[in-house]
Amino acid sequence: GAVVSQHPSWVICKSGTSVKIECRSLDFQATTMFWYRQFPKQSLMLMATSNEGSKATYEQGVEKDKFLINHASLTLSTLTVTSAHPEDSSFYICSARGPQVYYGYTFGSGTRLTVV
Amino acid sequence: TQLLEQSPQFLSIQEGENLTVYCNSSSVFSSLQWYRQEPGEGPVLLVTVVTGGEVKKLKRLTFQFGDARKDSSLHITAAQPGDTGLYLCAETNTGNQFYFGTGTSLTVIP
Repeated sequence: GAVVSQHPSWVICKSGTSVKIECRSLDFQATTMFWYRQFPKQSLMLMATSNEGSKATYEQGVEKDKFLINHASLTLSTLTVTSAHPEDSSFYICSARGPQVYYGYTFGSGTRLTVV
Repeated sequence: TQLLEQSPQFLSIQEGENLTVYCNSSSVFSSLQWYRQEPGEGPVLLVTVVTGGEVKKLKRLTFQFGDARKDSSLHITAAQPGDTGLYLCAETNTGNQFYFGTGTSLTVIP
């Protein structure tokens, strides 16, 4: 149990376009989801905490207008990178925490975004 | 933002050697988790430690939580190439936000 599916696994887009990344909890309801960004051989940096039915909480230095997060249901959170630029190229990972402590935190398999 | 420092940042060893990775914080951990991540994939949970002084073993991996709950270590015995990956400690703060350590990139050479 406690599987998180992230889609797409990789995407290439042109500068100035927007890209949406989906994070779904497949067999549990996730009241809270987290979005991370990761550069090669570096750790995961928390970007924002997504709470179902309310606005996301962004970490300091993360542009909320650039990285739009929507958590409209208990099984889906989306991250939209708006007006993407090459410096937005990175590995984006979501994680979800179900309401049961047993599940802990489960991570998606990540999305490799390349902006050209 | 919680700051979790891991050391070393990079480690390259020969197969069969032992190694230890450290995770330190200036604050007390409520609980701490260790993850392993392979390139292009999400982190996978290895263990959760909660009690100060706690020691947990997972085959060749031994995890220790400091008595003061401000540090933790991961010891790997007789490392194998399959152990290669990025090792991350992580902690949840009182706001239920989840923060990772700076990471240790391990390469085990056959």
